[in-house]
Amino acid sequence: DTEVTQTPKHLVMGMTNKKSLKCEQHMGHRAMYWYKQKAKKPPELMFVYSYEKLSINESVPSRFSPECPNSSLLNLHLHALQPEDSALYLCASSQQAGGSGANVLTFGAGSRLTVL
Amino acid sequence: QQQVKQSPQSLIVQKGGISIINCAYENTAFDYFPWYQQFPGKGPALLIAIRPDVSEKKEGRFTISFNKSAKQFSLHIMDSQPGDSATYFCAAYISSGSARQLTFGSGTQLTVLP
Repeated sequence: DTEVTQTPKHLVMGMTNKKSLKCEQHMGHRAMYWYKQKAKKPPELMFVYSYEKLSINESVPSRFSPECPNSSLLNLHLHALQPEDSALYLCASSQQAGGSGANVLTFGAGSRLTVL
Repeated sequence: QQQVKQSPQSLIVQKGGISIINCAYENTAFDYFPWYQQFPGKGPALLIAIRPDVSEKKEGRFTISFNKSAKQFSLHIMDSQPGDSATYFCAAYISSGSARQLTFGSGTQLTVLP
């Protein structure tokens, strides 16, 4: 089993709903990431948190709002989404934000989001 | 400069055969080259990875061949099994000041026939 845990596994929401995706890791990693993956495509980076501070926002629409309450937890708050936002949302973590070599990302299993 | 180009898009191999997936890159600042395996409904899982100063790395049935001068690397799956059927992504890491950036290839859907 992956060491990055994401909940819920599946989420269906209407365009007016507010929901949240949650991610947790207990590997002591100090960098956490949100990716979005559409069917048959590679994951696309959305946000990076380094030491609980947002360090990268890849021009993601404001209807996606990330939050990092502590070094083990990462949330993605969703509001007023569009049907085209339906995708697999992946959380990942790494030992540190920078570094080199084998400082690689560990991914969670993802949350499958469907926006009606 | 940030792209990693992957081919083929899909691959069908008979059980016991060799699966070969190729990737090419331009940015010489990439410093680590992993392959991720992804099953339907799951997140990508690190399969095997290589540093650019190494020409080959083997782990069980999986081998990465790396050609630094050509800026190409490939994944070989020996004795392919139906359980290997998945999507494979090559990728490359680069360190910026604030984060470890990961660039994925476009993916190869591998089907191993029984």
